[in-house]
Amino acid sequence: ETGVTQSPTHLIKTRGQQVTLRCSSQSGHNTVSWYQQALGQGPQFIFQYYREEENGRGNFPPRFSGLQFPNYSSELNVNALELDDSALYLCASSLSGDRYGYTFGSGTRLTVV
Amino acid sequence: GDSVTQMEGPVTLSEEAFLTINCTYTATGYPSLFWYVQYPGEGLQLLLKATKADDKGSNKGFEATYRKETTSFHLEKGSVQVSDSAVYFCALSENYNQGGKLIFGQGTELSVKP
Repeated sequence: ETGVTQSPTHLIKTRGQQVTLRCSSQSGHNTVSWYQQALGQGPQFIFQYYREEENGRGNFPPRFSGLQFPNYSSELNVNALELDDSALYLCASSLSGDRYGYTFGSGTRLTVV
Repeated sequence: GDSVTQMEGPVTLSEEAFLTINCTYTATGYPSLFWYVQYPGEGLQLLLKATKADDKGSNKGFEATYRKETTSFHLEKGSVQVSDSAVYFCALSENYNQGGKLIFGQGTELSVKP
């Protein structure tokens, strides 16, 4: 069991740019979810992937997109960055049907200037 | 839609004091309920959970009971330590065992002074 690893830990982007955040899920976990946590707020669900297909999406615009790969890694892509996209982005992986639930990574802190 | 409401923080306590953090929820079905903890600079860690009414989740001296009649899941600890200082999030999930998403409250910051 290796846990959930996210990269990078911090980054700064300019408004209008595009960004890719990466997550390496716990081995064997076939489900990955991404959350956005604004400063002082609780995490908000962005979307979830199960066996490389999106199977749930929160109230986020299409410029937020993702991919899940067979090796348990995944990406969150955000296009046309806006200042309000500044947040901590959390990845969580799980094995569908596992009552022990989600394992969260430490997150990527994105600052848009 | 489903939602979670927590008491506002920050909560400041002296070491060995009793802790209660209130959490109420709104849900259309019968969700699973969770408490997560976030230490500074870290991600979320599952503290405890309960999957049906009257279940009590417990871990590291923390407890919470799933109260369907009051739609509540209050977090309690009898004697807090400085190391308990963190942000605590109450959350729910419908269809948890089928990978249902988590819906979080806004978080309650706890600061424990020696």
